[in-house]
Amino acid sequence: QKEVEQNSGPLSVPEGAIASLNCTYSDRGSQSFFWYRQYSGKSPELIMSIYSNGDKEDGRFTAQLNKASQYVSLLIRDSQPSDSATYLCAVTQTSYDKVIFGPGTSLSVIP
Amino acid sequence: DTEVTQTPKHLVMGMTNKKSLKCEQHMGHRAMYWYKQKAKKPPELMFVYSYEKLSINESVPSRFSPECPNSSLLNLHLHALQPEDSALYLCASSQGLAVRAGELFFGEGSRLTVL
Repeated sequence: QKEVEQNSGPLSVPEGAIASLNCTYSDRGSQSFFWYRQYSGKSPELIMSIYSNGDKEDGRFTAQLNKASQYVSLLIRDSQPSDSATYLCAVTQTSYDKVIFGPGTSLSVIP
Repeated sequence: DTEVTQTPKHLVMGMTNKKSLKCEQHMGHRAMYWYKQKAKKPPELMFVYSYEKLSINESVPSRFSPECPNSSLLNLHLHALQPEDSALYLCASSQGLAVRAGELFFGEGSRLTVL
């Protein structure tokens, strides 16, 4: 079983819609959860971090964490073409110094 | 200014060459990382240098060797690489503090091609 799994995509949504990205992880001892955005040919950029169960909102982005279900999600409201990128879910394991990335979900926002 | 600086941006080397990738962070962070990323794949952790302790992903071959001259620099020495080592090599830093250890700041990457 892979440590971090994501919907493989690609995910296409129309401009202005809500994009929903999902991630599951296998290590129950995982402590911290992150979403990174990576544009083609660029390096990953941190967009959200979440550490406790529930929702965390930042502008158009909402991260949701459910540790009991080992599930993390990212919602992007009012999606824009500039949101088109690969979204990487990342998890730190118990020792904190190991950050594991999921395979990524490619998002395409259609004007 | 870029907070994490990687040089060179592009490197082409033969299988018998010895080269190095350099990374410097200007954020006062206490942890630095090397990741390898192949096309359409996620970054794979190679090495972590955190609070003066080096952790190695055991799957990384010995032809890659990290060096940390100080807390702001993390170099990656390359020797006798194989064509399958061609990839984007990403350096990152973080505060390295507990739950925030995964808040990584990446450099622009070094694109390596092994002929």
